[in-house]
Amino acid sequence: GAGVSQTPSNKVTEKGKYVELRCDPISGHTALYWYRQSLGQGPEFLIYFQGTGAADDSGLPNDRFFAVRPEGSVSTLKIQRTERGDSAVYLCASSYISGSTDTQYFGPGTRLTVL
Amino acid sequence: AQRVTQPEKLLSVFKGAPVELKCNYSYSGSPELFWYVQYSRQRLQLLLRHISRESIKGFTADLNKGETSFHLKKPFAQEEDSAMYYCAPSDQTGANNLFFGTGTRLTVIP
Repeated sequence: GAGVSQTPSNKVTEKGKYVELRCDPISGHTALYWYRQSLGQGPEFLIYFQGTGAADDSGLPNDRFFAVRPEGSVSTLKIQRTERGDSAVYLCASSYISGSTDTQYFGPGTRLTVL
Repeated sequence: AQRVTQPEKLLSVFKGAPVELKCNYSYSGSPELFWYVQYSRQRLQLLLRHISRESIKGFTADLNKGETSFHLKKPFAQEEDSAMYYCAPSDQTGANNLFFGTGTRLTVIP
C-alpha cells in the first residue's frame, strides 16, 4: 500500500520567507511525528500528534515553528521568517497508534534550503 | 538528559566478515530500543527492535543494561548491508518519539 508521502521533495527559499511542508501519513495511522535531520546528524524530534491534537511539541526549536493536523490525517509543518540554520531534511513518520512497540513509518523527507 | 552515542561515523568491513555497530545510551527510565537503517536513495526504515528479540536480515542486537549498550551485530556481512544505521531509544513517557544517534555508515567491501 501507499506509504507516508511528503511534499515538496525539495524546497529552496530565501531568508525571512514563510514555508509550509506537507505530510500525508499512512491511512488509518493516528500518530504522526515530525523530525528534522541536519547534515551529519541523526533525525531530531520536533512534534507529535495523536489524532488532531499536538500531544508533544517539546522539540520545536522556537515559536517560528508550528504544525497542524486539522482533520487527523494530513499534517503541515509551518516555518515563519526562515533562517539559514533551518536548512535541513524534514522527516515525517506515522504509526498506527502511539506505543513503544509500534513501528514508525517514515516518509522520504523534504529537503529545505534557506539561502 | 537522554543521550545516544554511536562512536563510529564510518565503518568498513569485507564481505563475509563479522560486523558490529556500537550504540551506547544514557536514558532515564527504561527505554525501548530500536535500530533504523537507511539504504542508498531509500527512506529510513525499521531494522529491528529490542522487544521483539528478532533477527532481521541476519542482524541481532543485545541489550546490556549494565553497560547501557545496544550493539548491532551480524556474523557475515553482505554487500547489500551497506547503508546508514541509526540507534534510537524510544521515549516511553507519552509521545514515544525516537531519539536518534548520529548514525554509522557501514560499507561492505566486496
